[in-house]
Amino acid sequence: DGGITQSPKYLFRKEGQNVTLSCEQNLNHDAMYWYRQDPGQGLRLIYYSQIVNDFQKGDIAEGYSVSREKKESFPLTVTSAQKNPTAFYLCASRSGRANEKLLFGSGTQLSVL
Amino acid sequence: QKEVEQNSGPLSVPEGAIASLNCTYSDRGSQSFFWYRQYSGKSPELIMFIYSNGDKEDGRFTAQLNKASQYVSLLIRDSQPSDSATYLCAVNSLTGGGNKLTFGTGTQLKVEL
Repeated sequence: DGGITQSPKYLFRKEGQNVTLSCEQNLNHDAMYWYRQDPGQGLRLIYYSQIVNDFQKGDIAEGYSVSREKKESFPLTVTSAQKNPTAFYLCASRSGRANEKLLFGSGTQLSVL
Repeated sequence: QKEVEQNSGPLSVPEGAIASLNCTYSDRGSQSFFWYRQYSGKSPELIMFIYSNGDKEDGRFTAQLNKASQYVSLLIRDSQPSDSATYLCAVNSLTGGGNKLTFGTGTQLKVEL
């Protein structure tokens, strides 16, 4: 079945540590996105990529980094510079054509130890 | 002014009633509009999308769009307890060369027996 796979489901970060969240899709989608959701809040865009080897900052990119070396994969690294990383992280993708709907992975809950 | 605004709720309706959820947006260049449903701890799932002014119906759901007023709404007929969730409005904008969805903070809907 086609879909978006995020791992792990739960992740704990120690202070000063970098952690990487995985996102893989087998939908042949060109565009991939990372959102952050805080309790009771909407989704805020961290980074997005419309094509392999290219990505753009979203609204809250500071303290995060991404790569897009393969079409299927868009990992997100939460660096030690992100001082408030506890949140629900959602990866999404879509075909890349303008105005197409976004499909989401199941999310990763990141917490700080 | 937020780009996409929703009343956070909670909106309480009795079972069988019509629930009306509203959303306003600031970017007049927005071209497509989406409604997502999100259960607690889960990722958002698409329930409706609309591109043109007017109404679009799908089962118990109707999306309404008024681009002149920069307003989009979602009606849920015959509300069921299983409809209790947070509903996120999302707006697609091509402004600045990007192709990204901006989300509102969501409206919590409670359908009471």
